[in-house]
Amino acid sequence: NAGVTQTPKFQVLKTGQSMTLQCAQDMNHEYMSWYRQDPGMGLRLIHYSVGAGITDQGEVPNGYNVSRSTTEDFPLRLLSAAPSQTSVYFCASGTSGATDTQYFGPGTRLTVL
Amino acid sequence: QKEVEQDPGPLSVPEGAIVSLNCTYSNSAFQYFMWYRQYSRKGPELLMYTYSSGNKEDGRFTAQVDKSSKYISLFIRDSQPSDSATYLCAMSNTDSNYQLIWGAGTKLIIKP
Repeated sequence: NAGVTQTPKFQVLKTGQSMTLQCAQDMNHEYMSWYRQDPGMGLRLIHYSVGAGITDQGEVPNGYNVSRSTTEDFPLRLLSAAPSQTSVYFCASGTSGATDTQYFGPGTRLTVL
Repeated sequence: QKEVEQDPGPLSVPEGAIVSLNCTYSNSAFQYFMWYRQYSRKGPELLMYTYSSGNKEDGRFTAQVDKSSKYISLFIRDSQPSDSATYLCAMSNTDSNYQLIWGAGTKLIIKP
C-alpha cells in the first residue's frame, strides 16, 4: 500500500496563477481532508469530504475549491494564488472524520511570489 | 482564546530524560484525544489515542487525560534523539462535525 500520496512535493507560483494539488489514497477511506500548516498556527482544516460526491468547508476555505469524484482522489484547487497561501499543505484520510486515526501524506510546500 | 492551547517550545532536554508535553482545552464535550508526532518535513503520524479519561501506555509513551482540569499530557520515558520531533495534540467529540481541533504543536529536541 502506498498510503496517502501527494503531488507535487514543491511548487512556486506567481500571484494570480491557479493550480491543483493532487491527493490520492489506496486504503478505501471514506473521509479525506486538506490542511494547511503555518509556523505557530498548527494544522488548519481547509476542506473535507465524507465520501465521493460530498464535500464541505473547514476553518479556512476561502481561495480553495475541492471535488471528490472517486473514493481515492481528493484534489485541492487554488483559484488565484495569493502570497497569503504560501504554506505547507497536507492531505489526510481516515475511516471516519474526527474520531479515528488520520493518515497524512508527505505534504506539498507551496510558495506564492 | 484558542480552543486548544499548546506551548510551542522548543523544549530541549538531554537524552534519557523524562519528557512531559501538555495541552489544555476549553470544550468540556471533547471525548477523543490524540497525540501526533511530526518529523521535520514529514506528515504527522498518530502516536497515541485515548477515549475519555484515564491513562494509556505504549512502550516508552504514556498519554494521560484529566477531563476535570481539561488537560492532557504525553510522557516520554528514557527519551532518545530519535524522539526529536514536533508533537501535536488533537481532540474531538461526536458532535465535532468531522473536524479535529488541533494544538499548535510543541517542538521537542533531545540532546545526545
